[in-house]
Amino acid sequence: RKEVEQDPGPFNVPEGATVAFNCTYSNSASQSFFWYRQDCRKEPKLLMSVYSSGNEDGRFTAQLNRASQYISLLIRDSKLSDSATYLCVVTYSGGYQKVTFGTGTKLQVIP
Amino acid sequence: GAGVSQSPSNKVTEKGKDVELRCDPISGHTALYWYRQRLGQGLEFLIYFQGNSAPDKSGLPSDRFSAERTGESVSTLTIQRTQQEDSAVYLCASSLVVGETQYFGPGTRLLVL
Repeated sequence: RKEVEQDPGPFNVPEGATVAFNCTYSNSASQSFFWYRQDCRKEPKLLMSVYSSGNEDGRFTAQLNRASQYISLLIRDSKLSDSATYLCVVTYSGGYQKVTFGTGTKLQVIP
Repeated sequence: GAGVSQSPSNKVTEKGKDVELRCDPISGHTALYWYRQRLGQGLEFLIYFQGNSAPDKSGLPSDRFSAERTGESVSTLTIQRTQQEDSAVYLCASSLVVGETQYFGPGTRLLVL
C-alpha cells in the first residue's frame, strides 16, 4: 500500500458545482496534513493546512479523519480558476522526519 | 521577503554529462527539500536537510545523485553521468522546520538529450 494515495482523476465538474477529494494515508502516527495546489507547469503552493477539528477557508473546507486515516478537501461553488491538481501532504515527525506528497488529483472546472 | 529561488531555470545537457542545480531557500528556514517531477507525474521525494542533522537521502534514485547544503543556506543537487530518464523538473522547497508549510521554488527544468 502506498503511504499516501489519491484518486488521480481527472474530475470534470461544471462551474458552481461542489466537489470533494479524499486522500488516504497508511502511517497512523502521521501528525501534520496539508493540501497544496499545483497549476500546470507551476510549482506547488500551499492551499491550506488540515486540522483535527476541520477548517474552512472561504469555499474550501478541509477535514481529517484519524480513525479512517484520510483527509478530505471540499470545494463549493467551483470556479474556472479552481482548475488545477490538488496534492495532499502527510508528515510524520517521530524518531525520524518524513514528508510524503500524494500524486495529486486533477480538477477541471468546465464553463 | 524573497521566496525560494532556483537556478538555472532550464538546463539542456547531453547524456553522460554532470549537472549541478542550485537552490536558495527562504532565509531562516532550517529545512530544505529536493523533489523530482516527471512530466504528468506526481512529486518524487529525493532528499531533505534539517539544520545540522544528517540529511535523509532515502529518496535518491541512484548513486549518481548527491546533494549538499552549506549550513542553513544554499543547497546544490548534483547529477552525475546524466541519463535521459533524469529529464524532469527538479523542485526545491524550504520550511521553518520539517512538518511546517513548504514553500517551493519555481523549479529547474532539466532535459537530457
